[in-house]
Amino acid sequence: DGGITQSPKYLFRKEGQNVTLSCEQNLNHDAMYWYRQDPGQGLRLIYYSQIVNDFQKGDIAEGYSVSREKKESFPLTVTSAQKNPTAFYLCASSIVGDSSYNEQFFGPGTRLTVL
Amino acid sequence: LAKTTQPISMDSYEGQEVNITCSHNNIATNDYITWYQQFPSQGPRFIIQGYKTKVTNEVASLFIPADRKSSTLSLPRVSLSDTAVYYCLVGDMSGDDKIIFGKGTRLHILP
Repeated sequence: DGGITQSPKYLFRKEGQNVTLSCEQNLNHDAMYWYRQDPGQGLRLIYYSQIVNDFQKGDIAEGYSVSREKKESFPLTVTSAQKNPTAFYLCASSIVGDSSYNEQFFGPGTRLTVL
Repeated sequence: LAKTTQPISMDSYEGQEVNITCSHNNIATNDYITWYQQFPSQGPRFIIQGYKTKVTNEVASLFIPADRKSSTLSLPRVSLSDTAVYYCLVGDMSGDDKIIFGKGTRLHILP
């Protein structure tokens, strides 16, 4: 089955600890994205990457870091510098090109709770 | 990136047709209009996309007037399972630019 996976589904961490969220896709998509969603709110873009070994900051990148060493993987690290990390984190991927139909495919999300 | 405005919430009843309108006054020539649906604790999923006039698929219809400054997502004969948040996005969708999800419209279907 082609798709995008995130693990774990639920994650608990103590305040001050860094934590890394996994995102893997086997859709052969070039672009990958990380979003944060708070209760009752829309999605806010943290980081995105259009090609391996390159990524750009989104609207709320402070306190987060990413890497894109492989096309299929785009892990997100929530650092201790992130002031309010408790949220629902969503990873997505899409193709890049001239197509008008670059649908974003989302993973199931990781709910991070910092105690 | 064109900013979109849509109602924060809507209520409807099972079996009714639901129309959600999105305003995007600054839409650019190359921009497409895309709608996503999100259930609680899940990632959004694509519903429909269009450029002008009308697009229909097995899930919904999308109506876009000639000036393209607004669009209407139409859900025929809704059921309780259509209760979700619906996002209207505008962009060229080439993947070269980030896509902005606003707060969406929270649709609540009543029995």
